[in-house]
Amino acid sequence: DTGVSQDPRHKITKRGQNVTFRCDPISEHNRLYWYRQTLGQGPEFLTYFQNEAQLEKSRLLSDRFSAERPKGSFSTLEIQRTEQGDSAMYLCASSLTSLHRGNTEAFFGQGTRLTVV
Amino acid sequence: AQSVTQLDSHVSVSEGTPVLLRCNYSSSYSPSLFWYVQHPNKGLQLLLKYTSAATLVKGINGFEAEFKKSETSFHLTKPSAHMSDAAEYFCVVSDKGEYGNKLVFGAGTILRVKS
Repeated sequence: DTGVSQDPRHKITKRGQNVTFRCDPISEHNRLYWYRQTLGQGPEFLTYFQNEAQLEKSRLLSDRFSAERPKGSFSTLEIQRTEQGDSAMYLCASSLTSLHRGNTEAFFGQGTRLTVV
Repeated sequence: AQSVTQLDSHVSVSEGTPVLLRCNYSSSYSPSLFWYVQHPNKGLQLLLKYTSAATLVKGINGFEAEFKKSETSFHLTKPSAHMSDAAEYFCVVSDKGEYGNKLVFGAGTILRVKS
């Protein structure tokens, strides 16, 4: 399968614990996004990377959230000291962008469902 | 700044009748626009995209959308609804910028298809 892969698919954690999610984008895609989706809402932007550079991080994100994309390939999203309000589906997407042509379509993974108890 | 407004949170149609899902956008630059569909417990799937070529865009499963710059709209249509079209639909905008900006999603429209 050459689509966007996310791991794990499901995570249940106790409040206060740290969690880390991984995303493997489509090979050679230079753009990688992280979104969060709660029930009944559209995906909410968290952060995105162009190759290994993190271009923007949502102001809604607290300092407990951090993301990396070393070497411009896979990415990790870490949430420290989880809270019940962090419970959501975390979506990763990748796309191929080029200078002055902007975004092509983004391909989404199946997501990681986080439940904080 | 880019933003998207989906004008209807729920739309209900009868099978075989036309579908119209409305979307208005705000963009500082010439935008790219997308429609995604999400079936229950499934991932997001691209339906169609507009990236400054033809203003009438055809997508999968008989869907199409028309980019109207003067109205800042990108409404999604289908001539005849099928039961399998029942899902949630998201309109998405991305400013072009230098390499393309982030994707901004609308709140979604849930389409119900009655038999």
